This record gives sequence, structure tokens and C-alpha cells, in this order.
Amino acid sequence: EVLLVESGGGSVQPGGSLRLSCEVSGFSFRDYWMQWVRQAPGKGLVWVARINSDGSGTTYGDSVKGRFTISRDNAKNTLYLQMDSLRDEDTAVYYCARDQVGVGATIDYWGQGALVTVSS
Amino acid sequence: VMTQSPVSLPVTPGESASISCRSSQSLLHRNGNNYLDWYLQRPGQSPQLLIYLGSIRASGVPDRFSGSGSGTDFTLQISRVEAEDVGVYYCMQSLQIPVTFGGGTRMELK
Repeated sequence: EVLLVESGGGSVQPGGSLRLSCEVSGFSFRDYWMQWVRQAPGKGLVWVARINSDGSGTTYGDSVKGRFTISRDNAKNTLYLQMDSLRDEDTAVYYCARDQVGVGATIDYWGQGALVTVSS
Repeated sequence: VMTQSPVSLPVTPGESASISCRSSQSLLHRNGNNYLDWYLQRPGQSPQLLIYLGSIRASGVPDRFSGSGSGTDFTLQISRVEAEDVGVYYCMQSLQIPVTFGGGTRMELK
């Protein structure tokens, strides 16, 4: 069974930092591109970042570029999202997601999400 | 920009429903594929993949769900709506970075 389990969410003040982790199981992590997608309370889905299978290539959404860093450790089957210079508008549930092989950025599996609250 | 309509869709169980997704740019790649997906987010749950490449049903998705369209205009059709189909439907384009989602269509039962 494919599982993606996020952790590391919580409350942080504006300007602070937080690192999310996503531990995966049930598939060969090193073979898949991965993504982060977020959803502010009561709002729609917003794409955050994507990383290729060996970690050598990353892309970011405009709203997080320069502040967030996506990375991975294939030996630990874990995806990360380092979030710096956090703002109120970064408050959201952050989903870890797996690319479907060979179909662009289509997402075939999602984690349950981790809530990040940015507030003073 | 991805524009979905309607924003809200009340449907009687057993009837059909249709959701539109329009892109400001063509999603047709030179390889002939349209890079447009449909997802359903049921209340309190994570999104799930329904349709990819415009018209291909994901594994385990009932054949009541069908996707069509090409270029800039796409449609998700749901026949014989059931209670489990309630939730918010999103389209997503992945032809270009950044990946972008439509604003969502909330489907509820009458």
C-alpha cells in the first residue's frame, strides 16, 4: 500500500521557519518525482514545489520562490519542505504528493496533510 | 489561468452533472496529449485523482466519470450521481510550470 505521511506542522510566528517532512512507504521512492501542494483554510489547492527523482532539479510556485526549499533523502524515503520567512498567508494544510510516472505532473497519491499556522 | 464553472453545483441523486474547465492557454502538447487532470476532494479528505491527460480514468475510478475536451476547453461529466460523489472538484494543468489549479466546483446533493 502506498503511504505518504507528513509531519512537522505547527504554529510559528511571522518571519519564522518550519520544516515539513513526508515519509513514504509502499513504493520505490527514488523512482518518483514528488510535489508539495497547499490549501489555505476554506480555499482551493495551490501548487508549491516539485522535485525530480534524484533531487537535482526543483521548481517552485511564485508565492514561495526564494523562501521555501524542497529536498529529498532517497536513503530515508523522505521528502522535505524547508519554509523560511513565513508569512500569515502561508497558513495552510500542506500536502505531500507523488507524481504519476510518465504523465507530467499528474498526482496519483496524496498524503493526509500537515497544518501550518503562521500567526503572531 | 484555469477557470472552472459553475462554482456551486446542486445535483439530484441519479441525475447527471457537468463541470467546465477553461484554460487561458492551450494545454495540448506537441505529443498529442492534453495535460489536464481532474481531482475530487471529499469533505475532510485529501484530493484524489479522477481523470488525467484530459480523458483517461485513473485506476479504480467508476466509469460514471468521464473527461473530454482539448486545447483550452475541458469538461468533466458525472452520470448517475451518487452520495459519495459529493465534494469539491478541481481541474489542474501540468503542461507548464507553475502547475495551476482551477478554483474548484462544489457539488452537493439536492
